[in-house]
Amino acid sequence: DTGVSQDPRHKITKRGQNVTFRCDPISEHNRLYWYRQTLGQGPEFLTYFQNEAQLEKSRLLSDRFSAERPKGSFSTLEIQRTEQGDSAMYLCASSTGQGADEQYFGPGTRLTVT
Amino acid sequence: GNSVTQMEGPVTLSEEAFLTINCTYTATGYPSLFWYVQYPGEGLQLLLKATKADDKGSNKGFEATYRKETTSFHLEKGSVQVSDSAVYFCALEGSGNTGKLIFGQGTTLQVKP
Repeated sequence: DTGVSQDPRHKITKRGQNVTFRCDPISEHNRLYWYRQTLGQGPEFLTYFQNEAQLEKSRLLSDRFSAERPKGSFSTLEIQRTEQGDSAMYLCASSTGQGADEQYFGPGTRLTVT
Repeated sequence: GNSVTQMEGPVTLSEEAFLTINCTYTATGYPSLFWYVQYPGEGLQLLLKATKADDKGSNKGFEATYRKETTSFHLEKGSVQVSDSAVYFCALEGSGNTGKLIFGQGTTLQVKP
């Protein structure tokens, strides 16, 4: 098992452009989470999936953000019309979905909006 | 709403010193509590957890006890090593089995030889 992977690891984009990130969870994990982390802060929850169903979205997730998990495996997070305030580390995590189970985190995608 | 507050860092200790990182929480119901650690250049990983009051989580010499009366989950280690240098995050999962984690802001620990 190779763990949770994310692609790309780094993304620099100009304000107003669209970006898409990919997360590949651990294969047998039903749940997939997206978090955002800014410098000096802890991760903040954005959204999560149980298989292919998106079950909760944070109020942090504006209309410019969309996430999918089309076949209950990998997930994508798209940000449209990026703003400088979107600059952050975007973390993906997966878990089995059992109560209080461990979430396995990927290395993150660092987004810089210029 | 649910929230987690950690002591501010950085914390700088000499090797073999005693470590305490304070964590308090606000939550409705009966949350589960976690400590995650991020070593330099690596992703977040679970260090320990406790799922009910008075439970003690432990791993790699670290311990934390779920204290409902003080809404705390302080992290302790009796003798730190240089390899413990990392950022430590306290987190809670609220009731409802969503798995959604609410994190504290993190505490950086630097251990000097």
